[in-house]
Amino acid sequence: EVQLVESGGGLVHPGRSLRLSCTSSGFNFGVYAMNWVRQAPGKGLEWVGLIRSHRFGATTEYAASVKGRFTISRDDSRAIAYLQMNSLKSEDTAVYYCCREADRYHYGRLTFDYWGQGALITVSS
Amino acid sequence: SALTQPPSASGSPGQSVTISCTGTSSDVGGYDYVSWYQQYPGKAPKLMIYEVNKRPSGVPDRFSGSKSDNTASLTVSGLQADDEADYYCSSYAGLRNLVFGGGTRLTVL
Repeated sequence: EVQLVESGGGLVHPGRSLRLSCTSSGFNFGVYAMNWVRQAPGKGLEWVGLIRSHRFGATTEYAASVKGRFTISRDDSRAIAYLQMNSLKSEDTAVYYCCREADRYHYGRLTFDYWGQGALITVSS
Repeated sequence: SALTQPPSASGSPGQSVTISCTGTSSDVGGYDYVSWYQQYPGKAPKLMIYEVNKRPSGVPDRFSGSKSDNTASLTVSGLQADDEADYYCSSYAGLRNLVFGGGTRLTVL
């Protein structure tokens, strides 16, 4: 069974940093791109960024709203994806979901077939 | 949001309802990579439709998708009580990678 479990959420002051982890199981983590999607309270979904598999250089892409502040990385030996968030702002307050990008040859581009349960980040003084 | 969805939609049990998702030629109109997700309150989204009109295994065939020009649509036929949820569209958007719609709250009357 595929499972994605986010951890590391909580309350953080503006300007500070926080790192989320997404621990994966039930599939060959190393061959999949992993994405982060967030949802502000009562709002819609917003794509945050992705990290490709090492086959594709483990390259990353980010939404304009977080580029330069957020960094996504991965540890394939532990099947964990990370979201390092720096210079946090109040508008970063959201539930952050880790998502597996489905095999694009069968599901197209940036289709998310599995989601974690989400981790709440609250940025407030 | 980059894609425009109606904030709400409703229908009675057994009826059909269609939710629209309007973008531009740089996203919805430019690629056949539109997905639809269902989200219950407090839960993670679930993939319902991908590549405009394809259903993952396990999704009932009451859910269907289509696209015309810059507008994608999700149709739920034979509405059931547990279809009541929020629905989000997403589209591949080239250099912007992925954009979502603002979401539509579907109410089963």
